[in-house]
Amino acid sequence: GENVEQHPSTLSVQEGDSAVIKCTYSDSASNYFPWYKQELGKRPQLIIDIRSNVGEKKDQRIAVTLNKTAKHFSLHITETQPEDSAVYFCAARLNTGTASKLTFGTGTRLQVTL
Amino acid sequence: EAGVTQFPSHSVIEKGQTVTLRCDPISGHDNLYWYRRVMGKEIKFLLHFVKESKQDESGMPNNRFLAERTGGTYSTLKVQPAELEDSGVYFCASSYKGRFQETQYFGPGTRLLVL
Repeated sequence: GENVEQHPSTLSVQEGDSAVIKCTYSDSASNYFPWYKQELGKRPQLIIDIRSNVGEKKDQRIAVTLNKTAKHFSLHITETQPEDSAVYFCAARLNTGTASKLTFGTGTRLQVTL
Repeated sequence: EAGVTQFPSHSVIEKGQTVTLRCDPISGHDNLYWYRRVMGKEIKFLLHFVKESKQDESGMPNNRFLAERTGGTYSTLKVQPAELEDSGVYFCASSYKGRFQETQYFGPGTRLLVL
C-alpha cells in the first residue's frame, strides 16, 4: 500500500518568513495530493491540492510543487502570518478509477511567531 | 450548506465499555470515510462507504470495530469492547460521488478516551 512521510514534524518561523513542508510517497500510482490545515480544536480543512499531471499550483500565499520522478511534493507558504499557525497534513491518493481513501503524513505543527 | 457533523465531540469511557460514534455527511455525498488519529501520529484510514455499501474496510483494526451506514445517509462506528489503544480522534469525511470529485470534507472529529 501507499506510505507517506512528512517532514519536519515541527516548524517555527517568524512572521513574514516562508515555510516549507515536504512529503514523500511510495506508490507511483498515486495521482492526487491534497494538503489539509487543522487549527487547534477544529476540523482538517483542505487548503490546496494538486494532481499528478501538474507540477505546480499556486493560490495566493500558498503553493504546492510535485516531483513525480522523485515522488515528493512540498507545501510552500510565503509571508507567513500568525493565523497560519496550525498542523498541516499532506496526503496521497492512489489512482483506482473511483473515489478512494487518502493516506496521510504524520503532520507538521507550524508555529508563526511575532 | 451544513458541513460534516459528528457526535459526540468527546467521549470518555472505561476499558471494556461500548461506544458508538455518529457521522452525518454532507447531503448528497455518496462517499463516507472513517479515519482515526492516535496521539502524534498520522490520520489513518479505517473504512470507506459508497452509499450503504462498504467499499474498502482494509483499515479496520479488528472485529471490535463495527461500522454501518443504513440507508446510505448517516454512519455509525461502534467499538465494543473498547481497549486503551482505541483512544484517539475519530474523523469522518465525505465526498461527492463523481470520479473526479476527490475533495474529502472532514468533520470536527470525536475525541475518544478509554481509561
